[in-house]
Amino acid sequence: DAKTTQPNSMESNEEEPVHLPCNHSTISGTDYIHWYRQLPSQGPEYVIHGLTSNVNNRMASLAIAEDRKSSTLILHRATLRDAAVYYCMNDMRFGAGTRLTVKP
Amino acid sequence: KAGVTQTPRYLIKTRGQQVTLSCSPISGHRSVSWYQQTPGQGLQFLFEYFSETQRNKGNFPGRFSGRQFSNSRSEMNVSTLELGDSALYLCASSSGETWTLGGGTDTQYFGPGTRLTVL
Repeated sequence: DAKTTQPNSMESNEEEPVHLPCNHSTISGTDYIHWYRQLPSQGPEYVIHGLTSNVNNRMASLAIAEDRKSSTLILHRATLRDAAVYYCMNDMRFGAGTRLTVKP
Repeated sequence: KAGVTQTPRYLIKTRGQQVTLSCSPISGHRSVSWYQQTPGQGLQFLFEYFSETQRNKGNFPGRFSGRQFSNSRSEMNVSTLELGDSALYLCASSSGETWTLGGGTDTQYFGPGTRLTVL
């Protein structure tokens, strides 16, 4: 069965970098890896996506393993507003989400 | 551009009833996907519509159905409601073009969801 797996929770201190991992055990060769985040009482919000190479945007960076079986979302300097549940997704399959807590 | 809108935002039904949820995508987007979100199962893909045709389907029973209109608006219907259908139902819109070109899942823009409670 296809699996997209993430740790349940992670903690970070404010202003420090955060690395959120995801395993994409059965990802197909052409499918993008997407990351979303969800705040309470809201729908998921797009963060970043990529196919094979590392990607950067104003919100985050995405590091993709050479075999594409894993990816890492990198928040370079966590802020209190980054506290949310982060989801990785491929082939329409979401991981269970990682709840990120940011401590001041 | 206006974002994805979903109506109603909250709904309470009883077992055995049916329900219809509505989604209006971002202007210009031709793809609408539906997801069910529960604390136990997380975000699960229901189906995707593109240009009025169901293009992808998740692993849900036939009680869950949908349709898309020529203006890309979409509706989702659940018949014979069960207690386990209580969930947040999320709609997401996208251009749909990446999938059409064989490039995989498009970036999706989610609405706020409809919270369905089945009593």
